[in-house]
Amino acid sequence: DSGVTQTPKHLITATGQRVTLRCSPRSGDLSVYWYQQSLDQGLQFLIQYYNGEERAKGNILERFSAQQFPDLHSELNLSSLELGDSALYFCASRGGADTQYFGPGTRLTVL
Amino acid sequence: AQTVTQSQPEMSVQEAETVTLSCTYDTSESNYYLFWYKQPPSRQMILVIRQEAYKQQNATENRFSVNFQKAAKSFSLKISDSQLGDTAMYFCAFIPTQGGSEKLVFGKGTKLTVNP
Repeated sequence: DSGVTQTPKHLITATGQRVTLRCSPRSGDLSVYWYQQSLDQGLQFLIQYYNGEERAKGNILERFSAQQFPDLHSELNLSSLELGDSALYFCASRGGADTQYFGPGTRLTVL
Repeated sequence: AQTVTQSQPEMSVQEAETVTLSCTYDTSESNYYLFWYKQPPSRQMILVIRQEAYKQQNATENRFSVNFQKAAKSFSLKISDSQLGDTAMYFCAFIPTQGGSEKLVFGKGTKLTVNP
């Protein structure tokens, strides 16, 4: 158990819908990272937050957004969902020495 | 651009034997960290081992060890006494320690099967 929690574990929805994925980092970790794992693209960095502020952006679509709250949990919002958004979404938090610890992931299926 | 290459899409090994997974990377950074993550069928991403580029000594964690060749930009993972529970996808990853980019860059992964 990494100490990073993600909910829900599975999400099934339809095209055009909007969903919210939630992540709680390890106790004491201020940085949260979101990654997308799909069959064709592999593991891709989406976005990073540090203590409530956006720190870095990767290949995140405009239909996707994220935020980190004062209690340090983070939410990833995916809207106008397309079939191609089906993937495993991971949250990670950073401990010492640049080591990122991953949550169990949320498997999103868009039908 | 920073890239990580894992040239072996699939490998297999007999239980109790030793196997080595290859990884090469490309970066102009001088200071960085390298990681191996394991993703079993449960899909959880589990940290296996970490190497700091400024340390010449190769990292070791129980049955897992690395061969870090900085000049060659090579970072292979050796698994000794392979166990059935080692069956998983293994991802090599890289992160610079400077320059502001804190994202992990992953290779495509190597699927390892341990046979009884």
